[in-house]
Amino acid sequence: EIVMTQSPATLSVSPGERATLSCRASQSVSTNLAWYQQKPGQAPRLLIYDSSTRATNIPARFSGSGSGTEFTLTISSLQPEDFAVYHCHQFDKWPGTFGPGTKVDIK
Amino acid sequence: QVLLQESGPALVKPSQTLSLTCTVSGASISSESSYWNWIRQPAGKRLEWIGRISFTASTNYNPSLRRRVTMSVDMSKNQFSLELNSVTAADTAIYFCAREEFFGSYLIDWGQGTLVTVSS
Repeated sequence: EIVMTQSPATLSVSPGERATLSCRASQSVSTNLAWYQQKPGQAPRLLIYDSSTRATNIPARFSGSGSGTEFTLTISSLQPEDFAVYHCHQFDKWPGTFGPGTKVDIK
Repeated sequence: QVLLQESGPALVKPSQTLSLTCTVSGASISSESSYWNWIRQPAGKRLEWIGRISFTASTNYNPSLRRRVTMSVDMSKNQFSLELNSVTAADTAIYFCAREEFFGSYLIDWGQGTLVTVSS
């Protein structure tokens, strides 16, 4: 099973600032990597798939990059509604596995 | 817009069977491309993929749970279901159902999740 790690565990950012989240896979997953946003009491929402493709209706301030084992999610200018937990997910090998999440909170 | 809604008992006794149903609206469960998934999230832990099923009832289960999991589909009700037997406290989690856009891909639509507690 591919193990996903994320850093940092918590990221404190002021509104309007840039946030950079990292995700690492224990072996190559090519670009078969997705990012989800999850707010308390809500289901995860797909943000990015195939490492860098924004899902439908996702604002352009969200961008993804990376391939192989190293991936990055960037939020260019944090809005109040962006404070949440972000999960990465590899779907290259069955079973798909998730990272532990990065919590983005208000500084 | 595709909506998924989980339903089932919130409390299950140890050693019994956890049974959940996911009702899908806005899409047909008989779609040839979509796959229907169950994922769970214990409190404070990462998401864990339980398994997937297609409209033909073809399944893939997480090896860690395979011996205890059964999934099924009911096309007449546009639903799919999960059964997890011999539950313990370690199975306490929020259970989500989700749609996989095509085989071996990302999870594009999710239900709100339902908390299932295993306790006597």
